[in-house]
Amino acid sequence: DTGVSQDPRHKITKRGQNVTFRCDPISEHNRLYWYRQTLGQGPEFLTYFQNEAQLEKSRLLSDRFSAERPKGSFSTLEIQRTEQGDSAMYLCASSLFRNQPQHFGDGTRLSIL
Amino acid sequence: DQQVKQNSPSLSVQEGRISILNCDYTNSMFDYFLWYKKYPAEGPTFLISISSIKDKNEDGRFTVFLNKSAKHLSLHIVPSQPGDSAVYFCAASEGGGSNYKLTFGKGTLLTVNP
Repeated sequence: DTGVSQDPRHKITKRGQNVTFRCDPISEHNRLYWYRQTLGQGPEFLTYFQNEAQLEKSRLLSDRFSAERPKGSFSTLEIQRTEQGDSAMYLCASSLFRNQPQHFGDGTRLSIL
Repeated sequence: DQQVKQNSPSLSVQEGRISILNCDYTNSMFDYFLWYKKYPAEGPTFLISISSIKDKNEDGRFTVFLNKSAKHLSLHIVPSQPGDSAVYFCAASEGGGSNYKLTFGKGTLLTVNP
């Protein structure tokens, strides 16, 4: 069990640029989640997948955001035309069964200059 | 509006004493609750959970109590250790398990003094 892996750990970019983050879940975990955490707040749900199907999206996920999990394994989260308000920690989690907890990665910190 | 509230931003206790962290929720559809611990520069780590059909769950030094009528839950840590110093998040879901989206509180910073 190697844990949830996220890459990169830190991304610094200029406003208006596109960024993409990657998440590798724990092997065989069929559910994968994305959350966003800003300073002083708890993680906020963005979206989640059951295998390759995206089952739910939060209203926080504007049309500049897109998430994919093409083969039901790793997932990517892309933000287009980044804005200052996108600066946050982006957390990925995965889980297996109904009452098994979500396991989180260490996150990708996005800083918009 | 905050559906999960942790009204104490911080808590300080002495090593060996009990730590009690509180959490309130407003959404009556929540039926599964979890506590996560977070160290700086790391992702949240699962601690303990409880289903709404129970009022208590215990795992070693950690016990979670659920009062559905008051929409309140608490995490007890006994005895507290310096390594318990971290931010603790309360989370809730509607699906009857942890396999659905989680709604988190803002967290409580626990400091355990030697």
